[in-house]
Amino acid sequence: AQTVTQSQPEMSVQEAETVTLSCTYDTSENNYYLFWYKQPPSRQMILVIRQEAYKQQNATENRFSVNFQKAAKSFSLKISDSQLGDTAMYFCAFMKLGANAGKSTFGDGTTLTVKP
Amino acid sequence: DARVTQTPRHKVTEMGQEVTMRCQPILGHNTVFWYRQTMMQGLELLAYFRNRAPLDDSGMPKDRFSAEMPDATLATLKIQPSEPRDSAVYFCASGMVLGEQFFGPGTRLTVL
Repeated sequence: AQTVTQSQPEMSVQEAETVTLSCTYDTSENNYYLFWYKQPPSRQMILVIRQEAYKQQNATENRFSVNFQKAAKSFSLKISDSQLGDTAMYFCAFMKLGANAGKSTFGDGTTLTVKP
Repeated sequence: DARVTQTPRHKVTEMGQEVTMRCQPILGHNTVFWYRQTMMQGLELLAYFRNRAPLDDSGMPKDRFSAEMPDATLATLKIQPSEPRDSAVYFCASGMVLGEQFFGPGTRLTVL
C-alpha cells in the first residue's frame, strides 16, 4: 500500500516571500502521478499542480513549482511571491496507475498561513 | 464552467435518523469518490466508483453506510442510522481514470 507523509503540520510565510512544503511517499510502483491540492478556508479543494512520474522535468504553474526527486520519493511544493490568498491547507496526493488507477492516497495536509 | 455539485451543503440531524447526501459528478467523468474529512482523521476515502461500479468501499462502515450510483449523473451516500461520530464534512469528487480529482463543495453533517 502507498503512504504519503507531510511532515510539516503547519507553516507560515511572510507575504511576497517563498515557502516550500514537503511531501514524501512510499511506493514500489514505477508509474504514478503526484498532485498538490489546496483547500482554503472555504473548504473547496482545488488542484494546484500535477506531476507524472515518467517526466523528469519538474512541473510549474505560475508561482507554484515542484521539486520531484523520484529516487528519493520526494515531491515538494514551492510557492514563490506568496500571497494572502495562498493561505490554505495543502495536501499532497499519490495516484498509482494500473488496476486501481484513479484512486489517490492523500497526506495529512500542511496548513500554510501567509502573513501580511 | 463544469463543477461537481453536492446537496445538501449543510445538514443537522438527530442521532438515529437517516441521512442521504447527493452528488452530481462532472459530465463525462468516469470515476467518483466519497471522502470524509474530520480534524482527527483528516481526509478518508469512503468509496470509489468507476463507470458506476463500486471498486472500493473498504473505508466505509458497512453496517450503517451505503454508497450507490443509480445513474451516471448521480451518486448517493446514505447513513442509517446516523451517530454523533459521523459528524464531519463529506466530499464527493469526480475525475477521469488518469487524472486529477475535481471536488465538490462538501456537505457539513452534524449529528446531535
